[in-house]
Amino acid sequence: DQQVKQNSPSLSVQEGRISILNCDYTNSMFDYFLWYKKYPAEGPTFLISISSIKDKNEDGRFTVFLNKSAKHLSLHIVPSQPGDSAVYFCAASDINQAGTALIFGKGTTLSVSS
Amino acid sequence: DTAVSQTPKYLVTQMGNDKSIKCEQNLGHDTMYWYKQDSKKFLKIMFSYNNKELIINETVPNRFSPKSPDKAHLNLHINSLELGDSAVYFCASSQEQRSYTDTQYFGPGTRLTVL
Repeated sequence: DQQVKQNSPSLSVQEGRISILNCDYTNSMFDYFLWYKKYPAEGPTFLISISSIKDKNEDGRFTVFLNKSAKHLSLHIVPSQPGDSAVYFCAASDINQAGTALIFGKGTTLSVSS
Repeated sequence: DTAVSQTPKYLVTQMGNDKSIKCEQNLGHDTMYWYKQDSKKFLKIMFSYNNKELIINETVPNRFSPKSPDKAHLNLHINSLELGDSAVYFCASSQEQRSYTDTQYFGPGTRLTVL
């Protein structure tokens, strides 16, 4: 049972355009959401996060939007750059799960062409 | 300068063997984790550990055991390896365990292949 779902395994975007990566979750107890970026042969690196008390968080070219009623969040990258090509994982924190474990989606592979 | 390091990067072994993967963090963090990324690309928590508490994901077989010689290290021991243990294992650390907004920093991963 996937509690965090990234239904698009891949996304291709041209340089300079907007990339929108989507994530859905099923557990209403999740109250903190994160995006991680992963290059091949490397570990995931933290990108941006959002608390459930907010609906938007922005950091430079990256913005995360949260729609709690729809249990949906999205990551917007504007403008997209070739160096953004990577796998993007959506993750959520379950406050009922001890150890602050992150629940991850399967990831979306973003390819930005120049 | 690597914040979270793991050794080895690749590990190929036979079924039934016992192996260990080492993890070290130089961030001064209190909590460390082990995640498993299986063939379906899911990253799943296996353990979280600080100097007070070990939290084990109930789905993890007891052939897997974390060992922490000190706060900066959390090694993963695996006994009687099985084919299904083949995966990429990631170590991670964070400053606090109970602050769920705390960022987790990941190591580069260890790709384990069981033949």
